[in-house]
Amino acid sequence: DAGVIQSPRHEVTEMGQEVTLRCKPISGHNSLFWYRQTMMRGLELLIYFNNNVPIDDSGMPEDRFSAKMPNASFSTLKIQPSEPRDSAVYFCASSPLTATNEKLFFGSGTQLSVL
Amino acid sequence: KNQVEQSPQSLIILEGKNCTLQCNYTVSPFSNLRWYKQDTGRGPVSLTIMTFSENTKSNGRYTATLDADTKQSSLHITASQLSDSASYICVVRNSGGYQKVTFGTGTKLQVIP
Repeated sequence: DAGVIQSPRHEVTEMGQEVTLRCKPISGHNSLFWYRQTMMRGLELLIYFNNNVPIDDSGMPEDRFSAKMPNASFSTLKIQPSEPRDSAVYFCASSPLTATNEKLFFGSGTQLSVL
Repeated sequence: KNQVEQSPQSLIILEGKNCTLQCNYTVSPFSNLRWYKQDTGRGPVSLTIMTFSENTKSNGRYTATLDADTKQSSLHITASQLSDSASYICVVRNSGGYQKVTFGTGTKLQVIP
């Protein structure tokens, strides 16, 4: 199993540009999560999908952030327009999410730097 | 408000020594608690899970404890190795509704030769 695959690993962009982060979850997992990690705030949940449907997007900072999951094997997180304060590591995680197993499997993250 | 607090924030120990990381939480109703290890430049990986009825669980040189009454957990690392250098994150799940977890901000451990 390849695990959760994220791309790109690093992204450097200028303020105002559109940024798209990509994620391929583990096959068979029914839930997908986007997290943002910073030194100050640790890991913060941005949005959570279950069976491709957004369940909770209360963590999305503002309208500049949007996420989609068109099918069970792909999700994107888009920031438009990007700002320097968006600089962080963005993690995608998937989970089988059953009554007895909510273990999160994380990708390697995308290091985003907005100049 | 559900919160998870970890201490210390960072720790430096000599290779071969033991250490203990602490996690206090206010998450309610409680379902389970996981310790994750996050190597630099990687995503977190689950080390162990503690449920309400479990007091102690070991995974190799890692031993986790849980006191559900005081809402505290610890992660003890025995005979530390250089590869133990990482951030250790305590994550608590509540039992209400859909999947809902609260992350601690982690303890950054550095093991030096």
